[in-house]
Amino acid sequence: AQSVSQHNHHVILSEAASLELGCNYSYGGTVNLFWYVQYPGQHLQLLLKYFSGDPLVKGIKGFEAEFIKSKFSFNLRKPSVQWSDTAEYFCAVSTDSWGKFQFGAGTQVVVTP
Amino acid sequence: DAMVIQNPRYQVTQFGKPVTLSCSQTLNHNVMYWYQQKSSQAPKLLFHYYDKDFNNEADTPDNFQSRRPNTSFCFLDIRSPGLGDAAMYLCATSREGGASNEQFFGPGTRLTVL
Repeated sequence: AQSVSQHNHHVILSEAASLELGCNYSYGGTVNLFWYVQYPGQHLQLLLKYFSGDPLVKGIKGFEAEFIKSKFSFNLRKPSVQWSDTAEYFCAVSTDSWGKFQFGAGTQVVVTP
Repeated sequence: DAMVIQNPRYQVTQFGKPVTLSCSQTLNHNVMYWYQQKSSQAPKLLFHYYDKDFNNEADTPDNFQSRRPNTSFCFLDIRSPGLGDAAMYLCATSREGGASNEQFFGPGTRLTVL
């Protein structure tokens, strides 16, 4: 069965630091990849997505992610975080015709002033 | 703004007492999903509707049922909640099925079982 792994459950960093969150999946076929963010008290929102083409995708709020097919990875990055980036981040993979998501367990990111 | 709405945001029920969670959408999307999310875990898909076609995940307990009376509304019925059913329940929609369609999420309903 396919699975999605997020390596870090909790990340604490200071404002202006760089952020990288790991996401690996196990599925040998074509995948569609998503990163969602959940700010405190809010619903899950799409940050970015990859379907095909340029493996480096840019999303909202200065986030980007790189799809590395050989590593089955889709890591999320932001060069300089802000306090407002404090949130939980979820990686998701979709492979079937129904568009069902397999989510990772999430990474709680806390940005300190 | 078009959105996915879940009511109530917090629901408390007693062990074994049936409970219904509600989801509505103004996006006019064809697909609606229900997820269960327990603390520090990934959201887990329970079932989804493509229009009126119901699709149950193989490991979704029989205790969980769903209804979609029209495009806008979808309900999650838990017939006899157990303590293990306490969780956040997320509703999501997508315009169509297909692996490339993003999902739009509601704020969730947090269910407490006493």
